[in-house]
Amino acid sequence: GAGVSQSPSNKVTEKGKDVELRCDPISGHTALYWYRQSLGQGLEFLIYFQGNSAPDKSGLPSDRFSAERTGGSVSTLTIQRTQQEDSAVYLCASSFRTSFPTGELFFGEGSRLTVL
Amino acid sequence: GIQVEQSPPDLILQEGANSTLRCNFSDSVNNLQWFHQNPWGQLINLFYIPSGTKQNGRLSATTVATERYSLLYISSSQTTDSGVYFCAVDLNSGNTPLVFGKGTRLSVIA
Repeated sequence: GAGVSQSPSNKVTEKGKDVELRCDPISGHTALYWYRQSLGQGLEFLIYFQGNSAPDKSGLPSDRFSAERTGGSVSTLTIQRTQQEDSAVYLCASSFRTSFPTGELFFGEGSRLTVL
Repeated sequence: GIQVEQSPPDLILQEGANSTLRCNFSDSVNNLQWFHQNPWGQLINLFYIPSGTKQNGRLSATTVATERYSLLYISSSQTTDSGVYFCAVDLNSGNTPLVFGKGTRLSVIA
């Protein structure tokens, strides 16, 4: 596609429910990143996929968070048993990276999650 | 881990004024990007600038990798320049994602 596409743009859920956030990267981009941004804060790295390599999960805040990337393209970030502190904007980015370094990142518009 | 510090944290400008935003980083880096996050939350790429100087209209950026800093210049600022400016870097070793600074929040008033 022309840009990184994320859905839903807004999600309101009740505490304890599971949510899934989707990211469709720019066509041909090999690397995909998930970041989280709480209100008024900077970006917190969550997870990174590069081609067929094992993902870098070092930023996931707890085992309630998981992500997968199917067919080297679309990615889904899943948050189980949501808590109020999970409320944030979840941002996805992609880059054309065949090897180190990162390459230029392009971000989607984010999914705003509100946990009541 | 690598530290990325941005200054100033907040900046208020009169429309038409010039400004310089700074990004210091604590380790050798192989990549540096500047982003603008507009008031609606969208992150826009400004510069991909691991070294050297680039210009795009009223904006320009300079990275001096050997001295571990980058500068973003905004000239003749406009109200549409308001938002948060982020610097992000990745390490010159290993296979690591971009690390973001905390940003500079810019408000341009008419």
